[in-house]
Parts: sequence; C-alpha cells; structure tokens
Amino acid sequence: EAQVTQNPRYLITVTGKKLTVTCSQNMNHEYMSWYRQDPGLGLRQIYYSMNVEVTDKGDVPEGYKVSRKEKRNFPLILESPSPNQTSLYFCASSIQGVNSPLHFGNGTRLTVT
Amino acid sequence: KQEVTQIPAALSVPEGENLVLNCSFTDSAIYNLQWFRQDPGKGLTSLLLIQSSQREQTSGRLNASLDKSSGRSTLYIAASQPGDSATYLCAVRNYGGSQGNLIFGKGTKLSVKP
Repeated sequence: EAQVTQNPRYLITVTGKKLTVTCSQNMNHEYMSWYRQDPGLGLRQIYYSMNVEVTDKGDVPEGYKVSRKEKRNFPLILESPSPNQTSLYFCASSIQGVNSPLHFGNGTRLTVT
Repeated sequence: KQEVTQIPAALSVPEGENLVLNCSFTDSAIYNLQWFRQDPGKGLTSLLLIQSSQREQTSGRLNASLDKSSGRSTLYIAASQPGDSATYLCAVRNYGGSQGNLIFGKGTKLSVKP
C-alpha cells in the first residue's frame, strides 16, 4: 500500500531532550516536507526537500533540523525541544512537479513539558 | 503575502443535503488549489487538485470550482452522508514559492447529522 509513515504517533518529552520524528514513504517520491498544525494557525511548513541531499527552510524552521540521505526517509530533528514546539506534526510527499498532489502521513502529536 | 480564508469555520447539515464549502485567497498568482479532508486523529487526504488553467474538477459526489481572477474556490458535496463529517481544508500553491509550500486555510468543520 502506498503510504507515508510517521513514527511515533504520540510523543511526550521534556524541555531540552533531543528527539527525532521519522518519516518514510514507499512511493519513490522526490519531494518531501514537514508541516506543523496548531489551533488557530492552521498548517505551516517547517522544512522541505526537493530530492536527496537537497533541503530548504519553510515558513517556520527555527528550532528544527532535517536531513535527506535517502529518497524514502526525511526525519525531523528537534535538538533542544521547547514547550512552544508542542504541536501536531505532519510529513508529506509528492512526485516532482508543481501540479502533483501531496500525500500526508497520519501525524505525530508532540508534547514538550 | 498570500492569505487563504475558509468560511464558515463550522457547518452542520442534515443527511442528504447538497452543500457548498467556500475558500478565498488574496493573490491570484497560483499554480493550483487543492482540497483536503482531515479526519480526527488522522492526516490529510487529498480530494481534488485544480490547476490554475482549469475551472473545475469532479470526483464522485465532489465538485470543486476555481475562479482565479476573483480569488475563490468552492467545494460542492452532493447528497451528503454522515461519513462526510470531517474538516475540509483548501490550500493554494503560489508562483515563486517552493513546490510544496502550500498556503492552507484554517478549514471548515463539517458535521452531517443522520
């Protein structure tokens, strides 16, 4: 089944403890992206990657890192999480091309205390 | 800066009704507009994508229209069912931005009562 898989689904952590949220897609998509969704603010893009070893900042990149060493994986790294990073995170992917629909994972709900 | 607005924020209808969800955007320089459905605890599912050169797209009971010059799109749902209950989001992809940097509206939460 074609899908975007995120892990974990739920994560509770403490301020300052490094964490990684994984994202993997099995559709051979070139493009991958991370979003966060917050009440009243909607979805906002954090980082994106056009292909392997190519990443760039979205609208809200502060406090996050990403890497794209393989085509299928695009992990999101929080080196020193803070409470304002408590949010619902989504990974998405698509084939190359501006008119390609995005496919989303099921989300990771992160709570930083 | 592109802004996407969805009105109303919530909508409740009885089963069987036809309904229209609205989406407006401020900058008409877009590649496309995409409608998504989001179920509680789930990710977003792409419903329809309308390219800037198109006027509408249809999939089953769903029909999406696009009027780029006026900055409006509508999602028409025919013969609504309780299973249609979800939050519906629209998103535009601007010229000049990254391929996947969609600008999202805040969504319309639809409830279809049996």
